Amino acid sequence: QKEVEQNSGPLSVPEGAIASLNCTYSDRGSQSFFWYRQYSGKSPELIMFIYSNGDKEDGRFTAQLNKASQYVSLLIRDSQPSDSATYLCALDSSYKLIFGSGTRLLVRP
Amino acid sequence: DAGVIQSPRHEVTEMGQEVTLRCKPISGHDYLFWYRQTMMRGLELLIYFNNNVPIDDSGMPEDRFSAKMPNASFSTLKIQPSEPRDSAVYFCATAGASGSEQYFGPGTRLTVT
Repeated sequence: QKEVEQNSGPLSVPEGAIASLNCTYSDRGSQSFFWYRQYSGKSPELIMFIYSNGDKEDGRFTAQLNKASQYVSLLIRDSQPSDSATYLCALDSSYKLIFGSGTRLLVRP
Repeated sequence: DAGVIQSPRHEVTEMGQEVTLRCKPISGHDYLFWYRQTMMRGLELLIYFNNNVPIDDSGMPEDRFSAKMPNASFSTLKIQPSEPRDSAVYFCATAGASGSEQYFGPGTRLTVT
């Protein structure tokens, strides 16, 4: 059974700080990883995906993948109150996304 | 692009009634996924289609649930008969050729009393 583990939080950071969200997974064969943001009462929104070891940057977001250690991270620089949401990590298992339970991020003004 | 369209957005029904949820995928997307989200179980994949053909329905909880995709522009998820434990938010998501980068619709919040 492939699993994706996330700390449920909440992770509380002050505005302007770097928020670091982490995710570990059990299947060493997993190749593709995704980060979704979900505001309360809304649907998940794809914000980043990463397939290769290392870092991938997109604006204020950086995804980091370490396949040897089986973890994926999402860094949010210059955090804003509008970043307050639940962040879901997911891995691709033959087109089926396996989701973690999500980490709730709270950015304090 | 209009994005994934789902209807209805909210559905309240009584136990034993039939419920039909609808989804219109993003034009050109080959993959369509139905998910269910609850506080207890998180986001779970129920079934997915590729080019209108059901590929994996292993997540469908029981025979009361059925899904169809009669054409590339429309899919339904039906629950008959509905039970209170079916109360959840049901999302439809679609993806292009990669199958992995999935885009979610707004969801249908189902309440079965």
